[in-house]
Amino acid sequence: DGGITQSPKYLFRKEGQNVTLSCEQNLNHDAMYWYRQDPGQGLRLIYYSQIVNDFQKGDIAEGYSVSREKKESFPLTVTSAQKNPTAFYLCASRPWTGPYEQYFGPGTRLTVT
Amino acid sequence: KNEVEQSPQNLTAQEGEFITINCSYSVGISALHWLQQHPGGGIVSLFMLSSGKKKHGRLIATINIQEKHSSLHITASHPRDSAVYICAVIHSNRDDKIIFGKGTRLHILP
Repeated sequence: DGGITQSPKYLFRKEGQNVTLSCEQNLNHDAMYWYRQDPGQGLRLIYYSQIVNDFQKGDIAEGYSVSREKKESFPLTVTSAQKNPTAFYLCASRPWTGPYEQYFGPGTRLTVT
Repeated sequence: KNEVEQSPQNLTAQEGEFITINCSYSVGISALHWLQQHPGGGIVSLFMLSSGKKKHGRLIATINIQEKHSSLHITASHPRDSAVYICAVIHSNRDDKIIFGKGTRLHILP
């Protein structure tokens, strides 16, 4: 079945460590997105990529980095520079042309202590 | 002021009740999403609409582009409908950027 996978579902890290969240899709979508969700807030865009080897900063990119070496994969690294990294992270994808509907992964809950 | 506002923020109702969740937005859009997020966190797209009305099972979504308002209705609500419902708009002038509302937490009591 086609879809988006994120792993792991729960992730725990010590403060000061970088951590990479995985996002893989087999929907053949061109565009991929990373969002952050905090309690009581709407989803906020961290980074997005419209095509392989290209990506753009979203609204809250500071302290994060991404890569897009393959169409199927868009990993997100939460660096030690991110001041408040504990959050729920969602990956999404959609075709770049045609319907705008985004497909979401199951999310990764990151806890940094 | 948020560009996408949802009301109510929280809603508790008895099983069987008719539910309405509202979404108002202040920007030009090309389309609007209604999304459902269950306690586990995963998000499912319920509807994407740019005009009129869509229906899927017990769910109905309407949009009024002139008034910049959309509603999501649930008929004959059931405890399994308990979730967070999120309105998201696709900005027509900002590289198709998606702007999300903060969500409405719905709890249906048996």
